[in-house]
Amino acid sequence: GDSVTQMEGPVTLSEEAFLTINCTYTATGYPSLFWYVQYPGEGLQLLLKATKADDKGSNKGFEATYRKETTSFHLEKGSVQVSDSAVYFCALTGIIQGAQKLVFGQGTRLTINP
Amino acid sequence: KAGVTQTPRYLIKTRGQQVTLSCSPISGHRSVSWYQQTPGQGLQFLFEYFSETQRNKGNFPGRFSGRQFSNSRSEMNVSTLELGDSALYLCASSFGTGKNEQFFGPGTRLTVL
Repeated sequence: GDSVTQMEGPVTLSEEAFLTINCTYTATGYPSLFWYVQYPGEGLQLLLKATKADDKGSNKGFEATYRKETTSFHLEKGSVQVSDSAVYFCALTGIIQGAQKLVFGQGTRLTINP
Repeated sequence: KAGVTQTPRYLIKTRGQQVTLSCSPISGHRSVSWYQQTPGQGLQFLFEYFSETQRNKGNFPGRFSGRQFSNSRSEMNVSTLELGDSALYLCASSFGTGKNEQFFGPGTRLTVL
């Protein structure tokens, strides 16, 4: 079945550092790819998405490019802030047991120190 | 536009009891999906409802069930609770199924003692 693999956390950075969270996927067909963010005590919020190869999703300074040749969708931000501390989930719309649904990676906890 | 709402936000039950969680989707959304989030297993898909019909189901025992009403509101029921059912239960709504973007509610934190 389809799956998503994220880099293991936790990740700890200093404010204004460059961020990369790796995400690779296995999928049949052409899935849409997403990054969701979960702040403490809250549900998931969609951060950005890409629906086809070479698309770049961007939001709040975060970017990710849909790379079909490397089956990757790495999340990047040039200068992180303390407020970016959260858990980040990479996800795809994949096929599980013959049905299309959202498949998540295991999540990466990010902590930004001032 | 109001977001996805879930009630209650927190719940404490004992083993063997049953529980019902509620989810109200964004107005106009007809698809509701449920997920279980635990530290050990991460986010796992439970089921999806669209137009009052269960469209997809994850790999959970029959103790987990759900339904959707004509106004798209959905309920999830867990019977004969076990300690391992302690989790954050998230509901997500979307306009349609498949590749449609999903919007998540804040979740219901269930603790089973």
